[in-house]
Amino acid sequence: DSGVTQTPKHLITATGQRVTLRCSPRSGDLSVYWYQQSLDQGLQFLIQYYNGEERAKGNILERFSAQQFPDLHSELNLSSLELGDSALYFCASSPRGLDTIYFGEGSWLTVV
Amino acid sequence: AQSVTQLGSHVSVSEGALVLLRCNYSSSVPPYLFWYVQYPNQGLQLLLKYTTGATLVKGINGFEAEFKKSETSFHLTKPSAHMSDAAEYFCAVSVLGKGGGNKLTFGTGTQLKVEL
Repeated sequence: DSGVTQTPKHLITATGQRVTLRCSPRSGDLSVYWYQQSLDQGLQFLIQYYNGEERAKGNILERFSAQQFPDLHSELNLSSLELGDSALYFCASSPRGLDTIYFGEGSWLTVV
Repeated sequence: AQSVTQLGSHVSVSEGALVLLRCNYSSSVPPYLFWYVQYPNQGLQLLLKYTTGATLVKGINGFEAEFKKSETSFHLTKPSAHMSDAAEYFCAVSVLGKGGGNKLTFGTGTQLKVEL
């Protein structure tokens, strides 16, 4: 158990819908990261937050957005969902910058 | 920008044999290097990491990796494979960005199969 908690673990939704994935980082970790894992794209970095502020941005679509709240939990919002958005979405956390990043179990999103 | 190349998307070894998973990186600045393992339907678990100092890094479950700057490599090895080592292994490189951001870039992964 990495200490990173993600909910929900599984989610099935229809195209065009919007979903929110939630992440609680390890106790004391200030950085939260979101990654997408799919068969065709592999593991792709989406975005990083540090203590509430966006710090790094990767291949995140405009239909996707994230935020980190004062209590340090984070949410990833996915809207106007398409079939190709079906993937495993990981949240990860670390204490600061280049520390080890610890991953949650992931949220399986299936868009039908 | 940094990148990672993992040679061989599938590797098969016999139980008790040497495990060697290859990783080459590209980075314009000194990198931090990681190996993660992913068991079926699970998240990513850190095996080991290289930051600075000793170039031979020991990790969990008997794995180790050696950072070779001249070869830009960070290959993962284990002297004797066990059935429980069957999983997907990811090499990753991390470089601190200008804004303090940390973008961990992963390779495409190597699926390790261990046969009796």
